[in-house]
Amino acid sequence: GQNIDQPTEMTATEGAIVQINCTYQTSGFNGLFWYQQHAGEAPTFLSYNVLDGLEEKGRFSSFLSRSKGYSYLLLKELQMKDSASYLCATNSGGYQKVTFGTGTKLQVIP
Amino acid sequence: DGGITQSPKYLFRKEGQNVTLSCEQNLNHDAMYWYRQDPGQGLRLIYYSQIVNDFQKGDIAEGYSVSREKKESFPLTVTSAQKNPTAFYLCASSIPSGGFNEQFFGPGTRLTVL
Repeated sequence: GQNIDQPTEMTATEGAIVQINCTYQTSGFNGLFWYQQHAGEAPTFLSYNVLDGLEEKGRFSSFLSRSKGYSYLLLKELQMKDSASYLCATNSGGYQKVTFGTGTKLQVIP
Repeated sequence: DGGITQSPKYLFRKEGQNVTLSCEQNLNHDAMYWYRQDPGQGLRLIYYSQIVNDFQKGDIAEGYSVSREKKESFPLTVTSAQKNPTAFYLCASSIPSGGFNEQFFGPGTRLTVL
């Protein structure tokens, strides 16, 4: 089965750093996605981790620990436009099914 | 420009009516998907298709039907059997390969049943 947990909501201050955690229990795990979704819009791809470790992409970084079933998304130098939902999703099985978590709604305040 | 289009953006239907949501892609992707999103919930998979003329049920297929007659098109019909059809519907496509399956999403259709 598939089970993905992430916090429902978070608040952080403009210019600060925020870490959004995601834990998963997924059989046939291939890799983990992070997507950003602004209200009423489609999700957009942020990152995909297959191997353990940290991958940095500008202000956003994503970390994966396969043995712990754990990932986090790190957002630095927060901007108001970063207010959005962040979806953790696992890719599993030979078919490569993508299963989404419920998302973390991040509010950036001045 | 390559991408995925969904129409219409907003759709209203009366209870008891069937309605079809359009999804077209010109990315030459083999795989296409339909997801449903409710407030405070993640995306839930309704149906997916890995190739033309083939499709499989996802986690919440009851009350929905699809067809995949062309590679570019994957319409979703919400039937009167779907008990709670009001939701945000997202179509996606991808080229699953080598353990990577990035989903490219359309803009979504918000369906409201009156």
